[in-house]
Amino acid sequence: EVQLVESGGGLVQPGGSLRLSCAASGFNFGNYAMNWVRQAPGKGLEWVSGISASGGGTRYADSVKGRFTISRDNFKNMLYLQMSTLRVEDAALYYCAKDLHFGQQLSYYCDYWGQGTLVTVSS
Amino acid sequence: QSALTQPASVSGSPGQSITISCTGTSSDVGAYGYVSWYQQLPGKVPKLLIYDVSNRPSGVSIRFSGSKSGNTASLTISGLQAEDEADYYCSSDAGSGTPVLFGGGTKLTVL
Repeated sequence: EVQLVESGGGLVQPGGSLRLSCAASGFNFGNYAMNWVRQAPGKGLEWVSGISASGGGTRYADSVKGRFTISRDNFKNMLYLQMSTLRVEDAALYYCAKDLHFGQQLSYYCDYWGQGTLVTVSS
Repeated sequence: QSALTQPASVSGSPGQSITISCTGTSSDVGAYGYVSWYQQLPGKVPKLLIYDVSNRPSGVSIRFSGSKSGNTASLTISGLQAEDEADYYCSSDAGSGTPVLFGGGTKLTVL
C-alpha cells in the first residue's frame, strides 16, 4: 500500500525558514517523480514544486521560485521541501504527492497524496 | 499566468449528468493535451479522476469522463450520485513559468 507521510510543518514568522519532509513507502520510490502541492485553508489547490525520479530535474511555481528548494533521497525514500523567506501567503496545508507515471519525467499528475502538513506564517 | 477558470458551483439531481468547465488560454489548456481533473471529498485529500484530457486511472468509475475543445476542458459526471458531492479541480500544463496550473475549483452539490 502506497503511503506518504509529511512532517515538518508549524508556525514560523514572515521571513523565516522551514523544511518539510515526506516519508514514502509501498512503492519503488526511486522510479517515480514527486510533487508538492499546497492548499490554503478553505482555498483551492496550488502546485508548488516537482522533482524527477533521479532528482536531477526540478521545477517550481513562479510564486516560490528562488525561495523554495525541492530535493529527495532515494536511499531513504524521502522527499523534502526547504522553504525560506516565507511569506504570509505561503501559509497552507502542504501535500506530498506521487507522480502517476513510472519513469524519470514529471507528468504533474498526482495519483497518491499524503495527508499534508500545515504551515502557518504569522508574526 | 492566472489560474484556470472554473464555475464556483454546479448542482444536479441524482441520476442526472452534469458538466464542469475549465477555461484556460492558448498557452495552457489550448496548447497541451495534458489536462487532469481531481475530486476532493469534504475533509479528504484530492483524488485523480482524469489525466491526459480523457484517460481514467485504474479504479475510477466510468461515470467520470473528460474532454477538451480549444481552450476549454470539461468534466462530465453521468448518473449523479450523492457521494459525488465534492470539490472538483482541473489542472493543465502551462509550459514556461509555472509548469502546471490549477483551476479555482467547483463545488458540486447533489440535490
